[in-house]
Amino acid sequence: NAGVMQNPRHLVRRRGQEARLRCSPMKGHSHVYWYRQLPEEGLKFMVYLQKENIIDESGMPKERFSAEFPKEGPSILRIQQVVRGDSAAYFCASSPRREGYTFGSGTRLTVV
Amino acid sequence: DAKTTQPPSMDCAEGRAANLPCNHSTISGNEYVYWYRQIHSQGPQYIIHGLKNNETNEMASLIITEDRKSSTLILPHATLRDTAVYYCIVRVIDDKIIFGKGTRLHILP
Repeated sequence: NAGVMQNPRHLVRRRGQEARLRCSPMKGHSHVYWYRQLPEEGLKFMVYLQKENIIDESGMPKERFSAEFPKEGPSILRIQQVVRGDSAAYFCASSPRREGYTFGSGTRLTVV
Repeated sequence: DAKTTQPPSMDCAEGRAANLPCNHSTISGNEYVYWYRQIHSQGPQYIIHGLKNNETNEMASLIITEDRKSSTLILPHATLRDTAVYYCIVRVIDDKIIFGKGTRLHILP
């Protein structure tokens, strides 16, 4: 039973480009959560999704960021027109109903 | 905002038990206590969770006070690989996890 898979592990983008981060939850998990960790800072909640629905996006920046979790395929965190301040580690987690989250290994985004 | 209070850092000698405290005085009746840890630059790792009874698994034990206002995570025989930031979290099942600043645990050889 594979864990939460995130790809790519490392992503380099130039300012103004788009970044797409993918997260495949564990088999049978229908809840997906995205977190961001800036260098030397804590984990900040971004968005909580279930299949085809955004449940809580209270931590998402109002512009340039979007997330989806389609009926088929991985969850996608999309950052448009990236800026240097978007450089961070982005972690995805999935969960079934009554157990703890399982986190992926993260995607390290570097904006140059 | 996180609903828990933890010491910012702790030291523990290798081979000894590491006891990490957490205060959650405003916990609600339907909120669980969860513990996670993050080893440098890796994704957070689930350790254990409980509601009101003490819990034990292969990684750790969780002791929750009778009034549920505090808890202690116990790593029975700490090793160097247990060096990490440990997060105590309270949450309702299915709700999002809000991470606080955690406790940076240093295991000393």
